[in-house]
Amino acid sequence: GIQVEQSPPDLILQEGANSTLRCNFSDSVNNLQWFHQNPWGQLINLFYIPSGTKQNGRLSATTVATERYSLLYISSSQTTDSGVYFCAVVSSGGSYIPTFGRGTSLIVHP
Amino acid sequence: ETGVTQTPRHLVMGMTNKKSLKCEQHLGHNAMYWYKQSAKKPLELMFVYSLEERVENNSVPSRFSPECPNSSHLFLHLHTLQPEDSALYLCASSHEDYNEQFFGPGTRLTVL
Repeated sequence: GIQVEQSPPDLILQEGANSTLRCNFSDSVNNLQWFHQNPWGQLINLFYIPSGTKQNGRLSATTVATERYSLLYISSSQTTDSGVYFCAVVSSGGSYIPTFGRGTSLIVHP
Repeated sequence: ETGVTQTPRHLVMGMTNKKSLKCEQHLGHNAMYWYKQSAKKPLELMFVYSLEERVENNSVPSRFSPECPNSSHLFLHLHTLQPEDSALYLCASSHEDYNEQFFGPGTRLTVL
């Protein structure tokens, strides 16, 4: 099946810093999502982005499907950005069931 | 609020108890999922139901028994669990044709 790798696995930032999270995948995809898991365990949808670029406030994402990667940018980070960021993809050649990466754990210090 | 609800939010049970987790989606989706997330570990897919039929079962022990009576409701029946089953159990739903997934808030389970 499709492989999904996220980097870095852990990231520690000072409030106000910018960061880039990466998601690499091993096959062509129909769907790619970014989620933020908050400290209470809730997974919050950030972006549905199989290709192209989207922005939502301080967050933006870019997926380059032909090169099999996606990037999540966080600008002017805040302590509430802390948590785990997951990338999930649906392979073009397979079923509709998403495959998740192992996540990037982000801690933002005040 | 994602349109997916889970109850209870917290559950403590003994190894001999029987309990059930409930998930309900209000999004008109036709696929529902159970995931397990142990402490500091990635998400593990347990079961997938599509149009009320089970389409995925990732070698989950028989002490976990899913039930999907209709496309809006999903249950996970628990019996004779082990302490290592303590984890966050997450429910999600999506539509097969437009497969953006939405998650419920999770049930944090502790097995004593």
